[in-house]
Amino acid sequence: IAGITQAPTSQILAAGRRMTLRCTQDMRHNAMYWYRQDLGLGLRLIHYSNTAGTTGKGEVPDGYSVSRANTDDFPLTLASAVPSQTSVYFCASSDSTGLDTQYFGPGTRLTVL
Amino acid sequence: GQNIDQPTEMTATEGAIVQINCTYQTSGFNGLFWYQQHAGEAPTFLSYNVLDGLEEKGRFSSFLSRSKGYSYLLLKELQMKDSASYLCAVGDSNYQLIWGAGTKLIIKP
Repeated sequence: IAGITQAPTSQILAAGRRMTLRCTQDMRHNAMYWYRQDLGLGLRLIHYSNTAGTTGKGEVPDGYSVSRANTDDFPLTLASAVPSQTSVYFCASSDSTGLDTQYFGPGTRLTVL
Repeated sequence: GQNIDQPTEMTATEGAIVQINCTYQTSGFNGLFWYQQHAGEAPTFLSYNVLDGLEEKGRFSSFLSRSKGYSYLLLKELQMKDSASYLCAVGDSNYQLIWGAGTKLIIKP
């Protein structure tokens, strides 16, 4: 692995179902982020983690949860998916917890019906 | 509120120069980033400005004026591979990035 990987690449999900999007980085970066990207809107921060064991809420956290049990993994869970959560989800990481270049995973395209 | 404004779409000719503008209003300022995003792919870092002035990196340059809340990305000697969306992002007082919606750049032969 080199960089950040995300899984699955794409998913179609029935409303009300639970779904976990996976994100793994091998750069030993301290900070990790989850964004959603919708047409006509900028990337919006869902949750972030400045270091293993800590998480924080971003701009649009409702309906999502995260955990950061170790440095490498940062899964995003939708407890009960709704159609408005249809989006492209990007995971990113950066070396420091201040403003630093963020490196993005390839994204997960999620459709909730 | 916090706001980042960029043109939605621009068209330019191969070999020419194009300037993509970004204006911002944020709670605090901790630097401005430009990212490139090809269709269906992840954003990738292009440049970072924290002080006023021009930063040049090959064919790409980025300018910042903090007093005007303004930045631009200048792309020279345009190539077809430069067709992409260009995202402007500003670090706010909480050191979180606020992202613009992006400018889709179309390069014509």
